Amino acid sequence: GAVVSQHPSRVICKSGTSVKIECRSLDFQATTMFWYRQFPKQSLMLMATSNEGSKATYEQGVEKDKFLINHASLTLSTLTVTSAHPEDSSFYICSARDRGQGSPLHFGNGTRLTVT
Amino acid sequence: QKEVEQNSGPLSVPEGAIASLNCTYSDRGSQSFFWYRQYSGKSPELIMFIYSNGDKEDGRFTAQLNKASQYVSLLIRDSQPSDSATYLCAIRLGSSNTGKLIFGQGTTLQVKP
Repeated sequence: GAVVSQHPSRVICKSGTSVKIECRSLDFQATTMFWYRQFPKQSLMLMATSNEGSKATYEQGVEKDKFLINHASLTLSTLTVTSAHPEDSSFYICSARDRGQGSPLHFGNGTRLTVT
Repeated sequence: QKEVEQNSGPLSVPEGAIASLNCTYSDRGSQSFFWYRQYSGKSPELIMFIYSNGDKEDGRFTAQLNKASQYVSLLIRDSQPSDSATYLCAIRLGSSNTGKLIFGQGTTLQVKP
């Protein structure tokens, strides 16, 4: 299956700083990537759809100025959490759609963000 | 009504038994359905997908889809302790294969040795 690499896997930052998370498709070109967030004991919540060469599409309630998404190439999408606050602490997971049958999503390993 | 609903569990089954996980959805236009497994602290991994009514088997896993009743299930035969995880049901909204995936809250499965 498709391989999606996400980095870093874990980050601790101070309140008010910004954190960048990278998501790469390693063996295929991904025109679209999806960013999810998961709080403890909860399911994945779609934050935004990242489109190569155009603006991301954000889900309702997700602040686009706080969660900056850049998808500058067919293999790389980045999510920047700006001016992070403790309530932004969560598990952030990127995914890309397989172009094969069924077009399932394949997920990166996730980034555990802790804001102190 | 949530778009995708699952019983959070935990569902506890003895080793070797069949585990049955269920999911209902609200969007009648959805055509693609997915089951993911998520171990604690890890990201989800795809188990299988289904888009036709009926059963689809892959090893010890069988996905069942009933579009008229709007439910999809996952059967795990010969359950093993290593199957203990949270199982996420996901649907792709709409009929296009480019639609976004919406996840249920997941069902925690515990397989007891």
